[in-house]
Amino acid sequence: GENVEQHPSTLSVQEGDSAVIKCTYSDSASNYFPWYKQELGKRPQLIIDIRSNVGEKKDQRIAVTLNKTAKHFSLHITETQPEDSAVYFCAASIQASGTYKYIFGTGTRLKVLA
Amino acid sequence: KAGVTQTPRYLIKTRGQQVTLSCSPISGHRSVSWYQQTPGQGLQFLFEYFSETQRNKGNFPGRFSGRQFSNSRSEMNVSTLELGDSALYLCASTGTENTGELFFGEGSRLTVL
Repeated sequence: GENVEQHPSTLSVQEGDSAVIKCTYSDSASNYFPWYKQELGKRPQLIIDIRSNVGEKKDQRIAVTLNKTAKHFSLHITETQPEDSAVYFCAASIQASGTYKYIFGTGTRLKVLA
Repeated sequence: KAGVTQTPRYLIKTRGQQVTLSCSPISGHRSVSWYQQTPGQGLQFLFEYFSETQRNKGNFPGRFSGRQFSNSRSEMNVSTLELGDSALYLCASTGTENTGELFFGEGSRLTVL
């Protein structure tokens, strides 16, 4: 069946360094790729997303890249800060007939060390 | 605008019992989906409802069921609880703009003893 592999499962970086989280999806029909951030004890929230007709998208310190040929997409966080510490989930989704069907990765726990 | 509200927030059940969880979406949102979150497994899709109809379903056994009411509120039910059903159950709603963004509730944490 369809799946999304996410690596690494845990990531520790020094404050100010960059962090990269990678995901690979299996269903070539996937056309929407969101990233969600879940702080401890809180609900997941969308931080950035990309659609299959775009290769890269940036929003301040975060960026997402998509390689459709390799079925691979990545989240890049630059100049990390302690408040970036959280669990990050990638997802691959197929948008069809007005609905989205999501497959989530297993999550990456990011720790930013002050 | 109030966010997605889930009740109860915490509950403890024993094996064999059944449980019903409730989700009230953001006002105006008509799509509600449910996810099971467990350590190491991430977010696993249970089902999605739109206008009282189940639109998509994940790979969970028939013990997991749901429904949606005319006011878009949704419930999910798990019967004959097993230890492995212990998890955080998240509900999410999506808006009519259909951007794809999921607005999650804070979840219902179920512990099965």
